[in-house]
Amino acid sequence: DVKVTQSSRYLVKRTGEKVFLECVQDMDHENMFWYRQDPGLGLRLIYFSYDVKMKEKGDIPEGYSVSREKKERFSLILESASTNQTSMYLCASYSASGTAYEQYFGPGTRLTVT
Amino acid sequence: AQTVTQSQPEMSVQEAETVTLSCTYDTSENNYYLFWYKQPPSRQMILVIRQEAYKQQNATENRFSVNFQKAAKSFSLKISDSQLGDTAMYFCAFMTEGAQKLVFGQGTRLTINP
Repeated sequence: DVKVTQSSRYLVKRTGEKVFLECVQDMDHENMFWYRQDPGLGLRLIYFSYDVKMKEKGDIPEGYSVSREKKERFSLILESASTNQTSMYLCASYSASGTAYEQYFGPGTRLTVT
Repeated sequence: AQTVTQSQPEMSVQEAETVTLSCTYDTSENNYYLFWYKQPPSRQMILVIRQEAYKQQNATENRFSVNFQKAAKSFSLKISDSQLGDTAMYFCAFMTEGAQKLVFGQGTRLTINP
C-alpha cells in the first residue's frame, strides 16, 4: 500500500515564526503536492513538484515556499507565519505511470497560528 | 480555467437509504478524468471512484456509482444502501489528461444517521 506521512497532525505556532511541514511518501512517486483545506473552499493547491528540485506554483502560493531535495520528501515552508495561514494542510503524491492519476493523501496537519 | 462546483454543502440521510451528491464542472477540454474522494472524520482522504471522460459507461464500485453526463458537464455520485461508515466529506475533482493538477470542488459533508 502507498503510504504518505506528514510530520505532525497538529501544530501551534506564533505569528512571525518560520514553520516547516514535511511530507514523505514511500512509493517512488515523482509528483507531490501541497494543498490547503478550508471549510467551504475545498482543497486549494499551494505548490507541486514533478521531480526532485523541481517545483511549480499552484493557485495560492503567496506566503509559502517548498523544497524537494529527495524524491520521497516534499517540504512546505511558511517563511513568516500569519493568522490567515491557520488551516488544514494536506500532502499528496501520485505517479503518472500508475493507476490513472489517483492521488494518495497524507493524514493532514492542522496548523494554528496565534 | 477549469472549475468544479458542488452545490450541496451538507446532506443527511438515514442508514440504508440511497443518496446522490451533485457535482458540475466547467472545461473546454475533451479528454479528462473525474474523481470522487472521501475524507472520513479525522482520517485520510481516499479515492472512491474514477471516471474517464472518453468512457460512455458510468463507473461503479460496489455501492458507489456515478452518473456522468458529459454534455451537461455533470458528475454525480450515488451511494446505495448507505452505511454509518459513509459519513464523511466528499470531494469531486477534475484533471485534464496530461495535466498534473487536480481541481477540487468545495466538498459536501454527508452524515448517515442510524
